[in-house]
Amino acid sequence: EPEVTQTPSHQVTQMGQEVILRCVPISNHLYFYWYRQILGQKVEFLVSFYNNEISEKSEIFDDQFSVERPDGSNFTLKIRSTKLEDSAMYFCASSPYRQEKEAFFGQGTRLTVV
Amino acid sequence: AQKVTQAQTEISVVEKEDVTLDCVYETRDTTYYLFWYKQPPSGELVFLIRRNSFDEQNEISGRYSWNFQKSTSSFNFTITASQVVDSAVYFCALSEGETSGSRLTFGEGTQLTVNP
Repeated sequence: EPEVTQTPSHQVTQMGQEVILRCVPISNHLYFYWYRQILGQKVEFLVSFYNNEISEKSEIFDDQFSVERPDGSNFTLKIRSTKLEDSAMYFCASSPYRQEKEAFFGQGTRLTVV
Repeated sequence: AQKVTQAQTEISVVEKEDVTLDCVYETRDTTYYLFWYKQPPSGELVFLIRRNSFDEQNEISGRYSWNFQKSTSSFNFTITASQVVDSAVYFCALSEGETSGSRLTFGEGTQLTVNP
């Protein structure tokens, strides 16, 4: 069964460093998303991406964040200068263009900023 | 603005008990979708069910059942004859609009612990 894959599964970085989280969405999907879950809290929407541009972003998604689909398969989230409060699980998701709008989530990348 | 409330932070049951997880939502849209996801200790989000706002039929899938009531803006989830493997955090989520690409708004989640 096709699935969304994320790499790495866990990343530790020093405060102020740039990190890139990578995702390979399901191949025939058209919508891509990033969500964040701070430990013990709810899952929060960051950004959605369609047709090579951001279609919606939340107030969390400020200037330190950016997304890119550099080729036909990868979808990346870049955090320019990490802060301690960026420590969280980051989930990538994708969905096809259909009425049901089911979003398939990757297994997540746990980012730890030290 | 859309909002999802899961009032039960934690529930603890003994194996084989039935358990219901509550979800109440708020939206101004007439077209929306409701979801339940399971997050086991390993951390991934596992899709369980999707319901659109025009389909109030209850659904049963094995030991799982869902009760959607627009009149009370609720979408509750019942696990019958619970098992230890059901222990997880369960999230209810809402997406507004007719087409793909809309954000999911999650509730705070309910931590379910099933004890042997």
